[in-house]
Amino acid sequence: EVQLLESGGGVIRPGGSLRLSCAASGFKFDNYGLSWVRQVPGKGLEWVAGLNWNGKSQGYGESVQGRFTISRDNAKNSLFLQMTSLRVEDTALYYCARHGDIYYFQYVDVWGKGTTVTVSS
Amino acid sequence: QSALTQPPSVSGSPGQSITISCTGTSSDIGGYKYVSWYQQHPGKVPKVIIYDVGHRPSGVSNRFSGSKSGNTASLTISDLQAEDEADYYCSSYTDNTNVIFGGGTKVTVL
Repeated sequence: EVQLLESGGGVIRPGGSLRLSCAASGFKFDNYGLSWVRQVPGKGLEWVAGLNWNGKSQGYGESVQGRFTISRDNAKNSLFLQMTSLRVEDTALYYCARHGDIYYFQYVDVWGKGTTVTVSS
Repeated sequence: QSALTQPPSVSGSPGQSITISCTGTSSDIGGYKYVSWYQQHPGKVPKVIIYDVGHRPSGVSNRFSGSKSGNTASLTISDLQAEDEADYYCSSYTDNTNVIFGGGTKVTVL
């Protein structure tokens, strides 16, 4: 069964850092682009960051550019999101997402259940 | 970069057809074929229903169809059914190697 399992969410103060992880199983990990997508409960989807199958091509949403870093470890079937200088407006449910091909700008065909990040003083 | 523009809500009666628009620019929808649509029911993760403008993944009802004209993409739901009541989001690749979502449209079946 194809699965994405996020972890690492929690409550953090503004200005703090947090690292999210996503463990993948059930498919050949390095055949797919991956992204992080977030959603505030009751609000819309926001693409956060993505990278290609080998991690060498990446992109970031404007609101996180320069603060978040996406990376992957193909040997460990894992995706990461290092978040720094966190703001209250980063509070959201963060989804790990697999794209339909090696590029991260392809459609998302598999979603994890998400991990919640709450930034609050 | 602002989100793609979708109407906040669209409604229709069972059996009717509805169309959801998604307006962007020549830097995203107008410039690329990588437009996709997602359906999200309350409390559930999104599900892709259209990719590459007008392609339907295996298992998705043929009542869903997608198209694009200029900078605007459209999702049409034919023969509207109760289970189609959900939020719908469009998405597109953009010039600056990013991805952007629309603000979402709530579909109500009357």
